[in-house]
Amino acid sequence: SSELTQDPAVSVALGQTVRITCQGDSLRSYDASWYQQKPGQAPVLVIYGKNNRPSGIPDRFSGSSSGNTASLTITGAQAEDEADYYCNSRDSSGNHVIFGGGTKLTVL
Amino acid sequence: QVQLQQGGAGLLKPSETLSLTCAVYGGPFSGYYWNWIRQPPGKGLEWIGEINHSGSINYNPSLKSRVTISVDTSKNQFSLKLSSVTAADMAVYYCARVARSGSYPFDYWGPGTLVTVSS
Repeated sequence: SSELTQDPAVSVALGQTVRITCQGDSLRSYDASWYQQKPGQAPVLVIYGKNNRPSGIPDRFSGSSSGNTASLTITGAQAEDEADYYCNSRDSSGNHVIFGGGTKLTVL
Repeated sequence: QVQLQQGGAGLLKPSETLSLTCAVYGGPFSGYYWNWIRQPPGKGLEWIGEINHSGSINYNPSLKSRVTISVDTSKNQFSLKLSSVTAADMAVYYCARVARSGSYPFDYWGPGTLVTVSS
């Protein structure tokens, strides 16, 4: 499959926990990566692999997966977490890259 | 610290060829795949293609007929050409590095180049 599906928009109260999901058949073969993008900026990698955070990413960001669904969880969301979040993986062939459509996270 | 520096023209006329470069500083060039990704205004990310230091290439099937990605290892630089541009090609174009392991994450990104197509 060559598609990754994300909810277009999600909201969370300040300090609460939010989960952003990404669904696609390729996720049965390849782990997802997650990116945060703020307006006017390039995306930033926040989670990769099973549940790995690059240096400098707060530990309130975590990842998980089950079957064809990958999830990004923000535990104790902060105002600065308001952004667009994208998942990506290789497609089922392994030769191409696919992105989810993105989820706009609003922190209330 | 790895840095990706983008260059190239940001204003094109319809039917012209988009040409962008991405120079890599502060890290190894071999051992990674080097990618181009674009984002139309207000829309999501679209993968264009990738190349490694030895010239192995993968393209997005939807753009393959118009895209050429090349590499210049002497300059630690790679390039994108997209022919016959239209308004639909207007986007911010990013270059990015991907590690060929695990989830193949894009761990370093260029700042982006806004490409406008207008007659």
